[in-house]
Amino acid sequence: GAGVSQSPSNKVTEKGKDVELRCDPISGHTALYWYRQSLGQGLEFLIYFQGNSAPDKSGLPSDRFSAERTGGSVSTLTIQRTQQEDSAVYLCASSPEGGGLQPQHFGDGTRLSIL
Amino acid sequence: AQTVTQSQPEMSVQEAETVTLSCTYDTSENNYYLFWYKQPPSRQMILVIRQEAYKQQNATENRFSVNFQKAAKSFSLKISDSQLGDTAMYFCALGSGNTGKLIFGQGTTLQVKP
Repeated sequence: GAGVSQSPSNKVTEKGKDVELRCDPISGHTALYWYRQSLGQGLEFLIYFQGNSAPDKSGLPSDRFSAERTGGSVSTLTIQRTQQEDSAVYLCASSPEGGGLQPQHFGDGTRLSIL
Repeated sequence: AQTVTQSQPEMSVQEAETVTLSCTYDTSENNYYLFWYKQPPSRQMILVIRQEAYKQQNATENRFSVNFQKAAKSFSLKISDSQLGDTAMYFCALGSGNTGKLIFGQGTTLQVKP
């Protein structure tokens, strides 16, 4: 079946602009995660959605970052007033159920470059 | 706080040989999983193997196996009969039963040489 789909694959934008990154999880997966990977680094947790529960936003680095998940499926990560330090690969993952015990299935990521 | 440490930034191995990647972690929880993910240059994260903390038997997946030492909080990955396609960055990750997030190590870049 189809895996986790992310768009766009690459995004280049000017400092100060807003960007939206999209994630389409595997059908039927109730849990969705966003991570950020800076160049040559490990993954940093950003936000986690599980069903209809309030999202875990504990990893969002600033109030310029927000995310939503509509209808329990597609998610959008929005970064407002982008800064150069926001340049990174943003990875989305989904799993059949929430909690850290389920293996997460990752998309190919969006490479964001802030000029 | 939960932490994952990979102390080997880079490693190399000759094709067909065996290599072991190290990982240590820290958590106060009793219910957790440990994972190894592979990230080739294509960027996609691929699950290699996982281990339930309550199981003493080490997990194996074909050429991949782990050495899970719970008391020492160590979780190393052994790759046998290394292949050129194993060249990638490998991440160790800790998954908690209390939260939905994975805590990742900094990664080890593995190069398999012909």
